[in-house]
Formats: sequence, C-alpha cells, structure tokens
Amino acid sequence: DAGVIQSPRHEVTEMGQEVTLRCKPISGHNSLFWYRQTMMRGLELLIYFNNNVPIDDSGMPEDRFSAKMPNASFSTLKIQPSEPRDSAVYFCASSFWGGEGGPKTQYFGPGTRLLVL
Amino acid sequence: TQLLEQSPQFLSIQEGENLTVYCNSSSVFSSLQWYRQEPGEGPVLLVTVVTGGEVKKLKRLTFQFGDARKDSSLHITAAQPGDTGLYLCAGPRNTDKLIFGTGTRLQVFP
Repeated sequence: DAGVIQSPRHEVTEMGQEVTLRCKPISGHNSLFWYRQTMMRGLELLIYFNNNVPIDDSGMPEDRFSAKMPNASFSTLKIQPSEPRDSAVYFCASSFWGGEGGPKTQYFGPGTRLLVL
Repeated sequence: TQLLEQSPQFLSIQEGENLTVYCNSSSVFSSLQWYRQEPGEGPVLLVTVVTGGEVKKLKRLTFQFGDARKDSSLHITAAQPGDTGLYLCAGPRNTDKLIFGTGTRLQVFP
C-alpha cells in the first residue's frame, strides 16, 4: 500500500491567494483527519470525516478554511484567502474505525509545507 | 486548552544515554498512544497503552500508563541517533478523535 498521499508537498503563495491541499487516504480506511502543525501550537486537529461525512469541524480556524470529501478516496482542504499566519505543515491522516472500541491507529501522510508570504 | 502536557520540551543527549519523557493530563483517558515523528515526515504510531499501570516494551523503548490513566511515560535505554525525532502522546476524545500532546523533541548525538 502506498500509504496516505498528500499533494503538493510544498506550497509557497502570496497573501490573499487561494490554496488547495489534497489528500488520498489509505484504501479501505473510513476516517480521514486534517491536522495543522506549528512550533507554537503543536499538532492541532482541524476537521475529521467518517464515511465521507464531516463529524467534527470545531478545529477549523475560521470561515477562510473549508474541507470536502467527495468520495472515500479523496479530500481537499482549502484556504481562501490565505494569510501569513496560515503558514504551517498540514497533515492528512486516515484510519479504520468500526464504530466502537475507541480510536485506532492513525496513518499520517508526509504533510504539505505551506508558506504564505 | 492543551489537555496533554509533555516534558521535557527539548532533550539533547549523547548516544548510549538513557532518558525518560513524560505525558501528563488532569483528565482520565481510556487509552494513550505514543507517536514518533521524524524530520520531514508525519507521525508514526509506536504503541497504544490501555490498562492503568500497563507496561509495554518495544526493543529499547518502555512505555508505561499511569495507574489513574492520567499520565504516561516513555523510557529509552541506550539511545541511538536513530531515536532522534519528535515524540507525541495522544489520547482519544469522543469516537475516534485524538488529542495530541505538546511533544518532546529529542536529539541524540553520535
């Protein structure tokens, strides 16, 4: 298995531009998570989906951030308009959850390093 | 509010030394996980501890879950440069959502 795939690996953009991050979860996994990691705030959960449905988006910073999961094999995280304070590493992770027994192993992608100038 | 505090925040040691890192919370967790993140990569699960007082060993790494299930520790014996990375503890909050700790950044010099 190729693991969780994220693209692009690096993104440099100017303030005000739209940024779209992409994620392909591991085949067969039914939960998908978007995280943001910075030195100041550590690893923060932004939003997660179960069976393509958003379950908890309480970590999404503000309306400039949106996420979609149109099918089981693809998700996007969009920032519009982007701001310098959005600069961070964004991770996508996936897992299989059978509905009980608590969280299972989350498999992380390599991350997208975003720099907003 | 950060529910999982890790200490120390940074640790630089020489190869062969022993070390312990801690993960503490005021809340009870049904389980705790430890992940290691190498530079430029995503975190990778090392272990899950479930029972209060549980001890798990993974080669030179020993993980312990506190009796009250509010804390955990990771002890590394005879550290090697390959152990370098960011160590994160994580606990479940609702369904399959994880809360990650503040992290301990370990550097092992040859």
